[in-house]
Formats: sequence, C-alpha cells, structure tokens
Amino acid sequence: DTEVTQTPKHLVMGMTNKKSLKCEQHMGHRAMYWYKQKAKKPPELMFVYSYEKLSINESVPSRFSPECPNSSLLNLHLHALQPEDSALYLCASSDRGMPGEGGTGELFFGEGSRLTVL
Amino acid sequence: DAKTTQPTSMDCAEGRAANLPCNHSTISGNEYVYWYRQIHSQGPQYIIHGLKNNETNEMASLIITEDRKSSTLILPHATLRDTAVYYCIVRVYFSGSARQLTFGSGTQLTVLP
Repeated sequence: DTEVTQTPKHLVMGMTNKKSLKCEQHMGHRAMYWYKQKAKKPPELMFVYSYEKLSINESVPSRFSPECPNSSLLNLHLHALQPEDSALYLCASSDRGMPGEGGTGELFFGEGSRLTVL
Repeated sequence: DAKTTQPTSMDCAEGRAANLPCNHSTISGNEYVYWYRQIHSQGPQYIIHGLKNNETNEMASLIITEDRKSSTLILPHATLRDTAVYYCIVRVYFSGSARQLTFGSGTQLTVLP
C-alpha cells in the first residue's frame, strides 16, 4: 500500500465554521507533511511532523492547527479562515531516507483536499 | 537546499523524447537531485532521484553533468498523459529525520498529439 489518503476531497466552509482535513497512510512512514497550493503556484510547506511531533511550522497563522494523533494519521483543523485561504491542501509522508533502512526519502503525496472559504 | 532554475514551459510531440533541463549550480556534495511531477489537480508524484551517476527507472532517465551543476530528465517516449508540471528539487538525502521538499516554479510540459 503506497497510498496517502486525504478526506474530504472537496470542502466548502464559511468564515465562522470549524472543519478538519484528514490524512492517513499505512506505509510505516514517521514523517508527515502539510502543503498548501494556490492555483498555478508550486506547493508551499506549512507543517512537518516527525515521529508524531511537530518539527517545522512555516509561520502558518494560528487559524490552521495541525494534529498528529498517531503515526498513521495527520489532521489539519481549520477555524475562522479567510477567503484567501482557499487552496488545495496536500498531505505527504516519507521515510527517513537513512542508509540501511531501505527507504529513499521520497515524499508520497495524497490527491489533496480542495478548500473553498466563502 | 540549493536553488534550481528550470524553463517555464516546453512542448513535446507525442512519441518523441522529452528532455527537461534543470540548473543547480550551487548544489552541495551531499545534495541529491530529485524530480517530481504534478498532473493537473493531483498531488505531486515522485519520478527519480540521483547524486552523480546517471539513473534510469521505468518512468524516466536522469542525466547529471560531471560537475553536478545541471541535470536533464528524459521521458523517452512521451505520451499525452505525461503533460504535467515537472519540478527539479535539490535536497539532502540522508538526514535521519523529516526532510521537506521545497518546490520551485517547475516546467509545464505539454505533450502535443
């Protein structure tokens, strides 16, 4: 199983709503990532989790709250978003890419959750 | 991670080889060259990576110059389904921890029938 599964595929929410994006992988990867992608732009890193601990936060506004409840799951909680937060949100996972562990360090991406904030 | 420079767009005839160049003149000795692609509205997909030797897999070939300052991704027989944005990324490989990808602008490859 080399899949990263993201739900929902599409989400429309108002600025006062609270919603969550979910990501799941069963490849035994211990690193998981959230990226944000605006139309016709490359993906931009938001958060990195390593061994279920937040290791990188790219100065993301607090209206985005990540959570890694276990090694297979990654959530992104959304609250009081703005219309400019409308984007494709991509989740990815990877192994550590360490010699002798058989991994490559490549990132496996999900298909993304397309978020529209009204 | 070292910065990369790619052409904004390229066209290729279906069935012909697509050669996508990438410049990475500031690459360090422990940095690998990775290629990903993103088909419209899908998540990025890993293609290939290499350090200094040429690499080939079922999807593509990667040619890295001897001084490692540039590389070329080759899709030997491009199909319409290869139309995508192709990202060349330079990244440390063995890090022992999560190592994110930093995406540049990429090259929009359009395969023409």
